[in-house]
Amino acid sequence: DAKTTQPPSMDCAEGRAANLPCNHSTISGNEYVYWYRQIHSQGPQYIIHGLKNNETNEMASLIITEDRKSSTLILPHATLRDTAVYYCIVRVAYRVRGSQGNLIFGKGTKLSVKP
Amino acid sequence: SQTIHQWPATLVQPVGSPLSLECTVEGTSNPNLYWYRQAAGRGLQLLFYSVGIGQISSEVPQNLSASRPQDRQFILSSKKLLLSDSGFYLCAWMREETQYFGPGTRLLVL
Repeated sequence: DAKTTQPPSMDCAEGRAANLPCNHSTISGNEYVYWYRQIHSQGPQYIIHGLKNNETNEMASLIITEDRKSSTLILPHATLRDTAVYYCIVRVAYRVRGSQGNLIFGKGTKLSVKP
Repeated sequence: SQTIHQWPATLVQPVGSPLSLECTVEGTSNPNLYWYRQAAGRGLQLLFYSVGIGQISSEVPQNLSASRPQDRQFILSSKKLLLSDSGFYLCAWMREETQYFGPGTRLLVL
């Protein structure tokens, strides 16, 4: 079972920031938070990941609470092409002994960006 | 830069027929490779992963098998397809703790 909880759906107006929440209250110290998205009929696309600190790249920002029990993915200026299912995943670091490195996807949040 | 290819993109096969799906990665060496399946309306399920040539780990019992004949080639096979094998099959490779997915193969078994 997935270790994260996400709202099933969200709407966002085009050009506005999209803030996607994720709860991972049972996260352990050696688990990363990953975000992927899947546009209809395509393979999942990696967005961003983090361990403790907030992270930013060209696609998004990831805000992780100090206790690491929740996080928020921020798309600063959502476009229609950002409409997709967004998955928040926690995963133990591959370098940890016995880890396969695989990802366990839940049902994600279906983000609809509207004009 | 690294790229991952899968083919075919779409496949319709009768029940009981064999299956061979291919995944290749370019621009890297000795990657970890993964096969996932996504059934309609459901999350991704890990089927197999490989850390090197000839090394395959299976995650779920099923009538599918995987092979890694070359460093950057990962093949998913079946001798006899079942209706329940329908789904979206995704190959992924891992670099520095992050997995990157291919475009997927959509399989419909009739």
